[in-house]
Amino acid sequence: NAGVMQNPRHLVRRRGQEARLRCSPMKGHSHVYWYRQLPEEGLKFMVYLQKENIIDESGMPKERFSAEFPKEGPSILRIQQVVRGDSAAYFCASSRTLNTEAFFGQGTRLTVV
Amino acid sequence: QQQVKQSPQSLIVQKGGIPIINCAYENTAFDYFPWYQQFPGKGPALLIAIRPDVSEKKEGRFTISFNKSAKQFSLHIMDSQPGDSATYFCAGFTQGAQKLVFGQGTRLTINP
Repeated sequence: NAGVMQNPRHLVRRRGQEARLRCSPMKGHSHVYWYRQLPEEGLKFMVYLQKENIIDESGMPKERFSAEFPKEGPSILRIQQVVRGDSAAYFCASSRTLNTEAFFGQGTRLTVV
Repeated sequence: QQQVKQSPQSLIVQKGGIPIINCAYENTAFDYFPWYQQFPGKGPALLIAIRPDVSEKKEGRFTISFNKSAKQFSLHIMDSQPGDSATYFCAGFTQGAQKLVFGQGTRLTINP
């Protein structure tokens, strides 16, 4: 009965590189959410996905960020050409259906050097 | 209008005391108000939640008080323990929007 699994736990990238963050939802969960937490701040919504569909990406920066949740495999949050301001903890959450409790993973801490 | 404002930013209480964390919201479309507990290096975990048609909810040592007219809600922790030391986040949620709007967080320290 594994929880939401995120990997890697820590990721270091140089400016200009790409970062790929993975999220495997809990078994039976088909709704995935990504949130970003900057140091000393609360979590900010980025994107909500169901299998093969992006439902709400209103919190995603317009450029360099993309997300997917394919039919098979984990959800991926991709950040191209990373900059120092992208350094943050990125959390994934999943829920079984609409309006049911969302469970969070342990996060990926991205550091851009 | 989406904001949830949380206070205080940090709080230190002696063991056995009752820390109180307050949140205020603007969006009247919120229909679910959860509190999350986050330990260092971990993800947030749901602690307790309330819907706006209820004025108070208790689960163990944790109580949410909700004031719909004032658009405010608060978390009380009874008989606080050092193990309760963590960062606490309040949030608002709208079923239609399917996203949590978090407060800024309160770093709580319970001294032995």
